[in-house]
Amino acid sequence: DIQMTQSPTSLSASVGDRVTVTCRASQNVHNYLNWYQQKPGEAPKLLIYGASSLQGGVPSRFVGSGSGTDFTLTITSLQPDDFATYYCQQSYSTPQGFGPGTRVDVK
Amino acid sequence: QVQLVQSGAEMKRPGASMKISCKASGYMFTGYYIQWVRQAPGHALEWLGWINPYSSSTVYGREFQDRITLSRDTSINTVYLELTGLTSDDTAFYYCTRRGLSASMDLWGQGTLVTVSS
Repeated sequence: DIQMTQSPTSLSASVGDRVTVTCRASQNVHNYLNWYQQKPGEAPKLLIYGASSLQGGVPSRFVGSGSGTDFTLTITSLQPDDFATYYCQQSYSTPQGFGPGTRVDVK
Repeated sequence: QVQLVQSGAEMKRPGASMKISCKASGYMFTGYYIQWVRQAPGHALEWLGWINPYSSSTVYGREFQDRITLSRDTSINTVYLELTGLTSDDTAFYYCTRRGLSASMDLWGQGTLVTVSS
């Protein structure tokens, strides 16, 4: 099975900050890497699919990059609505594993 | 409106079985796989398996292989998740999701909380 790791586990940031979350796969997943945002008490929401494609309706401040085993989610200017937990997920092979999550909270 | 609506919360005893539903609306039901994911409270997401509503073919996560069944009823655009031999480790929110581009999960149900307790 492909193992997914994320760093950092959590981070504190302020509105307007540039925030970067890193995801690493234990094997090559090509560009089958997706990012989700989850707020407390809610289902996750797809932000980025195929490593770098923005899901419809998602603000352009969310940017995905990477290929192979190393990926990055960048929030170019953090907004109040962005305080949440972010998960990466590989969809290259089953089981489709998720990373452990990165919690972004208020500094 | 494009949505997935799941059945309500359930409480089960250890050793029992659960069967929860996910009703799709607003899009062509047989055109998209449905995947199931679960999340124990305070934990990360865990993939359970998927079903092709058109053919009813399924793929299951290896650790659930012997106690999970995904099925569908195309007459009512609904997919079902059945899990047997429940233990307290199965206490979680269960989500159905639609498989989109790059096999991502582009549409989520609201989640069904299943609590396993004696």
